Amino acid sequence: EPEVTQTPSHQVTQMGQEVILRCVPISNHLYFYWYRQILGQKVEFLVSFYNNEISEKSEIFDDQFSVERPDGSNFTLKIRSTKLEDSAMYFCASSKYNQPQHFGDGTRLSIL
Amino acid sequence: AQRVTQPEKLLSVFKGAPVELKCNYSYSGSPELFWYVQYSRQRLQLLLRHISRESIKGFTADLNKGETSFHLKKPFAQEEDSAMYYCALSLSSGSARQLTFGSGTQLTVLP
Repeated sequence: EPEVTQTPSHQVTQMGQEVILRCVPISNHLYFYWYRQILGQKVEFLVSFYNNEISEKSEIFDDQFSVERPDGSNFTLKIRSTKLEDSAMYFCASSKYNQPQHFGDGTRLSIL
Repeated sequence: AQRVTQPEKLLSVFKGAPVELKCNYSYSGSPELFWYVQYSRQRLQLLLRHISRESIKGFTADLNKGETSFHLKKPFAQEEDSAMYYCALSLSSGSARQLTFGSGTQLTVLP
């Protein structure tokens, strides 16, 4: 069964540095999402992406965040200048129209 | 704004006992409800979707609009059911529909 894949599985970065989290959605899916889960807290929606543009974004997704689909397969989340509070598990998901979302394994981001 | 509440962080039952994981939601419209499961060291996986009305791995969940609940039930729990269970809601309109998650219930099925 096809899966959403995320790399790296764990990223350690100094505060203030830029970080890019990568995702390869399922190939025939058209809708892409990023969520995050701070340790001990809920899974929170960050952003959804369709037809090469952002569909929805949450209050968390401020100017330091951006998403991109640089080619036909990758979907990336960039955090421009990381803060300590960005430490979390970041999940990518993808779906077809009106179908449930399929999640990746997540990237654990640790900001030092 | 929509909200999902799972009142139990932890739930333990013995193998063979019935289990019910509670989920309540608040949203003024007609949402779509899901249960996702996360087994140890694995990804979030869809377990149930309310519009499918299926039974997966012996689990069922009925949407009760009057009580705004979507409780997950299984009549006879198995040890392999031990996992983290998340109830989630998405709005029924819009093409790319964000999920709003509850805080999750860690189910432990004891031998």
